[in-house]
Amino acid sequence: GENVEQHPSTLSVQEGDSAVIKCTYSDSASNYFPWYKQELGKRPQLIIDIRSNVGEKKDQRIAVTLNKTAKHFSLHITETQPEDSAVYFCAASSTGRRALTFGSGTRLQVQP
Amino acid sequence: DGGITQSPKYLFRKEGQNVTLSCEQNLNHDAMYWYRQDPGQGLRLIYYSQIVNDFQKGDIAEGYSVSREKKESFPLTVTSAQKNPTAFYLCASSYPDGSPLHFGNGTRLTVT
Repeated sequence: GENVEQHPSTLSVQEGDSAVIKCTYSDSASNYFPWYKQELGKRPQLIIDIRSNVGEKKDQRIAVTLNKTAKHFSLHITETQPEDSAVYFCAASSTGRRALTFGSGTRLQVQP
Repeated sequence: DGGITQSPKYLFRKEGQNVTLSCEQNLNHDAMYWYRQDPGQGLRLIYYSQIVNDFQKGDIAEGYSVSREKKESFPLTVTSAQKNPTAFYLCASSYPDGSPLHFGNGTRLTVT
């Protein structure tokens, strides 16, 4: 089955800096890669996603890049703000198994 | 207002008792999912269902059971066979074509 690894497990940045979180996946059939943000005690919320026919997608301060050959994808947050502090999860799924497999999460702390 | 409702928010049970967690959605989604979240870990898939009256085991199905008799409902039973049932349980739903997951607010189960 699919295995998704996520790094780093914790990340601390100064407000205004950029943050990058990286994930690798094992199943070459995976074709959908979302990123979720989870604040303490709350449900995960989708922040951006990308499909395998696209190499990069951007939404304001958030961008995701995908390298299918290397089987890795990354989340980039620019101009970080204290409200970006949360746990971020990457995930992957394929047409064959449409249930998402999640990474272990990255706790991002943005220092004011 | 469409969404996913999980109840109750907190649940306490004695060891050896079965317990059923409720999940209801009014988003008209065909697919529904159950994930388990433990501290410092990602979301692990328990069971998922792409259509009524059909469901598949996820990565950690042992000690759990589900039913999908109605499109709107996907209850999860945590049986006494589950060795470490204390966790945060998240239900989600989506369209079956690799669309983003919408999560409920979760049920925190504590078994003593």
